[in-house]
Amino acid sequence: QKEVEQDPGPLSVPEGAIVSLNCTYSNSAFQYFMWYRQYSRKGPELLMYTYSSGNKEDGRFTAQVDKSSKYISLFIRDSQPSDSATYLCAMSPISSGSARQLTFGSGTQLTVLP
Amino acid sequence: NAGVTQTPKFQVLKTGQSMTLQCAQDMNHNSMYWYRQDPGMGLRLIYYSASEGTTDKGEVPNGYNVSRLNKREFSLRLESAAPSQTSVYFCASRKGRENPILSYEQYFGPGTRLTVT
Repeated sequence: QKEVEQDPGPLSVPEGAIVSLNCTYSNSAFQYFMWYRQYSRKGPELLMYTYSSGNKEDGRFTAQVDKSSKYISLFIRDSQPSDSATYLCAMSPISSGSARQLTFGSGTQLTVLP
Repeated sequence: NAGVTQTPKFQVLKTGQSMTLQCAQDMNHNSMYWYRQDPGMGLRLIYYSASEGTTDKGEVPNGYNVSRLNKREFSLRLESAAPSQTSVYFCASRKGRENPILSYEQYFGPGTRLTVT
């Protein structure tokens, strides 16, 4: 069983829809949770960053962490065609050595249709 | 400020050939990483360098070697390429800001698409 599970999709939604992307994890030591966005044939770029439990909002994006359920979510409101990309969750325990390694989900491919 | 750069962008190798993937960052980061990305597998860590002068194995190091040439540059070498090494390779570096909550953020390069026939 992988430490981080993510539904690969693909997920296709109409423009303006609310999108929910999710990851589950098994390592209870994970404390830092991130969402990366990866456009086709590009490198991943950091989208959202949360520590421990709770919500964080940034414009149309909201990240939620539920540590009791070992479940994290990314919500995209008023989705746009420019949001079409693969979304990767990533996480790390506190002080995983000086290198601060991340464990990634396999990514969910999202297409927003105009 | 170019961020993280990788060369080459594309490469085709025959089984048994060797090559070196180059990575450089101009952000004065201490830590650097090499990942491979395969369909359905996400990003898997091959090797990392916590700081200049140190390297360590990640999740999938077999068949690879690395060199941290200086603070800016971190190369990945395939000594005898195999078809199983067909993948997209990403280099990343880490900011390491003073705020510990922000110090896990990694910045990625554009990737190298490698095909081994």
